[in-house]
Amino acid sequence: EAQVTQNPRYLITVTGKKLTVTCSQNMNHEYMSWYRQDPGLGLRQIYYSMNVEVTDKGDVPEGYKVSRKEKRNFPLILESPSPNQTSLYFCASSLWAGGAGANVLTFGAGSRLTVL
Amino acid sequence: RKEVEQDPGPFNVPEGATVAFNCTYSNSASQSFFWYRQDCRKEPKLLMSVYSSGNEDGRFTAQLNRASQYISLLIRDSKLSDSATYLCVVNVGGATNKLIFGTGTLLAVQP
Repeated sequence: EAQVTQNPRYLITVTGKKLTVTCSQNMNHEYMSWYRQDPGLGLRQIYYSMNVEVTDKGDVPEGYKVSRKEKRNFPLILESPSPNQTSLYFCASSLWAGGAGANVLTFGAGSRLTVL
Repeated sequence: RKEVEQDPGPFNVPEGATVAFNCTYSNSASQSFFWYRQDCRKEPKLLMSVYSSGNEDGRFTAQLNRASQYISLLIRDSKLSDSATYLCVVNVGGATNKLIFGTGTLLAVQP
């Protein structure tokens, strides 16, 4: 089944304790992206990747890191989480980033993170 | 002004009703447009793309008005299962074909 898989789905952690949210897709998609969703603010892009070893900042990158060493994986790293990073996180992928018809995103099921 | 604006609702409608959502966007260079559906605490899923000529998929009709910079979604014969948040999504173009998401319109279909 074609899908984007995120783990963990739920996590409660404490301020400053490094964590990684994994994201993996099995569709050979070039484009991958991380979003956070907060009430009243909608989905905001954190980081995205156009292809292996090509990553760039989205709208709200502060406090996050990413890497794209393999096409299928795009982990999100919180080096020193803070309470304002409490949110619902979605990883998404699409076949490719170019062209008007390309932005059909497949989302993972989401990771609900609470930072105390 | 937000780049993509939607009425947050909620829209409470009875089963069988017709309901319409509008979405406005600020970037006149926007290239493509979509409606996504998001069920409570779930991931967004593509409902339909929006084409300049308008398009229909069963009970759902999407239209684009480039001159006025708005997109609409019409749902006919509403079902209980249509209850969800509907996200308007705009590709604002540029080198990375960036997508901007509206905050969503909540639809609650009542029995």
